[in-house]
Amino acid sequence: GAGVSQTPSNKVTEKGKYVELRCDPISGHTALYWYRQSLGQGPEFLIYFQGTGAADDSGLPNDRFFAVRPEGSVSTLKIQRTERGDSAVYLCASSLNPGPTRGMNFGPGTRLTVT
Amino acid sequence: GEDVEQSLFLSVREGDSSVINCTYTDSSSTYLYWYKQEPGAGLQLLTYIFSNMDMKQDQRLTVLLNKKDKHLSLRIADTQTGDSAIYFCAESDGGTSYGKLTFGQGTILTVHP
Repeated sequence: GAGVSQTPSNKVTEKGKYVELRCDPISGHTALYWYRQSLGQGPEFLIYFQGTGAADDSGLPNDRFFAVRPEGSVSTLKIQRTERGDSAVYLCASSLNPGPTRGMNFGPGTRLTVT
Repeated sequence: GEDVEQSLFLSVREGDSSVINCTYTDSSSTYLYWYKQEPGAGLQLLTYIFSNMDMKQDQRLTVLLNKKDKHLSLRIADTQTGDSAIYFCAESDGGTSYGKLTFGQGTILTVHP
């Protein structure tokens, strides 16, 4: 595909359950980012991958959140023991190389609702 | 920590200019960005400016930066109904975490015919 894709587009889960959110970056993009956007707010940084490794995971709110990118392409954001406060739109973005002037290409997001 | 603030709403008439304002607190901000978000679409980078610049123009868009006051603005000339969207200001310090942006909460721009 031409852009960043994220699946599922919507996810409803019960409090306490485990969820996985998937991001397919643009082919060849080495940098991948996860952000979280709550209603009425701007995106909030979670984690940044350069290749397979997490270059900066300082935005992960707690140890219930974990992300992987085992082959340097697709990434999965994993949330354990979900809480209602985790409800948000989870955004993924990728860029060809890391660099402040290389605009990130954002996907449409996964809307997570924890009931 | 870093903080980025924007006014929440702006309403303009088609053909007028729009000016969206943003203030930030991080004195080490090196790069400042404007993103656009439309319903059902991903965030789109509109433009960016280095902190050592005062102004950048790109077609209908003009970015002004007052580093002393930590104030950034985005001017859209000849605003069209298709410009209706949420506009986010964002900053990064240009360190090794290039993708770690701090976003404002967004300004909802409504353009009336």
